[in-house]
Amino acid sequence: KAGVTQTPRYLIKTRGQQVTLSCSPISGHRSVSWYQQTPGQGLQFLFEYFSETQRNKGNFPGRFSGRQFSNSRSEMNVSTLELGDSALYLCASGSGAGNTEAFFGQGTRLTVV
Amino acid sequence: DQQVKQNSPSLSVQEGRISILNCDYTNSMFDYFLWYKKYPAEGPTFLISISSIKDKNEDGRFTVFLNKSAKHLSLHIVPSQPGDSAVYFCANTGNQFYFGTGTSLTVIP
Repeated sequence: KAGVTQTPRYLIKTRGQQVTLSCSPISGHRSVSWYQQTPGQGLQFLFEYFSETQRNKGNFPGRFSGRQFSNSRSEMNVSTLELGDSALYLCASGSGAGNTEAFFGQGTRLTVV
Repeated sequence: DQQVKQNSPSLSVQEGRISILNCDYTNSMFDYFLWYKKYPAEGPTFLISISSIKDKNEDGRFTVFLNKSAKHLSLHIVPSQPGDSAVYFCANTGNQFYFGTGTSLTVIP
C-alpha cells in the first residue's frame, strides 16, 4: 500500500509570495494533519482535516490555511511568506479515529529568502 | 504552552547499552501516547505506542513505560545499535497530536 506522498519535496520562495503544498494520504485514510518543524521547536500542529472539514486548528496566523478534497488529498497554503516560515512541513495521514497512530510523509522543505 | 516536554535535547550511548529517552506531559486527560523516530530529511516513523490503561508495552528492543501519577513516559532501547541514531519524538493524542521537541540519540559504535 502506498505511503503518504508530499509534493514538492523542496521549495524556495521569496518573502511576500504565497505557496501551496500538497499531501496525498494513505488510501482509505480520511484524516490529514499538517505540522511545521523548525530547529528546537519540535513539530508544531497547524491543522487537521477530516472528510473535507477542518476538525482541529493550532495556533498559527491566518496566513496558514488548508483544505481537503473529496479524495482526501489535502493542500496547505501559506500567503505573504515571511523568512520565519522557512521550515520542514509535514503531513500525517490517519484513519481519524482516536487513539491510533498517524503516518507521516517525507515533508516539504520550504526556504523563504 | 507545551503539553508534551522532552527536556533532554540530546543523548549519547555506547552500542550495546541501554538508551532511555524521557518525556513528561501536563494533561491528565491524555490517554494514548506514541513514540516516533525521525532521520534527517525524512518524515517521522511510528515506533511504539501505549494506552493509559497500561504501564508498559514492549516491541522487540523497544519498551515504553508509562507512569501516570508522575505524568511521565520513557522509551527504553536495549541493546542500542548505531542504526538507532535519530531524533525521537514522544507524542500524545487526544483530539490532536501533541509532540515534544525531540531528543537526538547518538549510538556510538
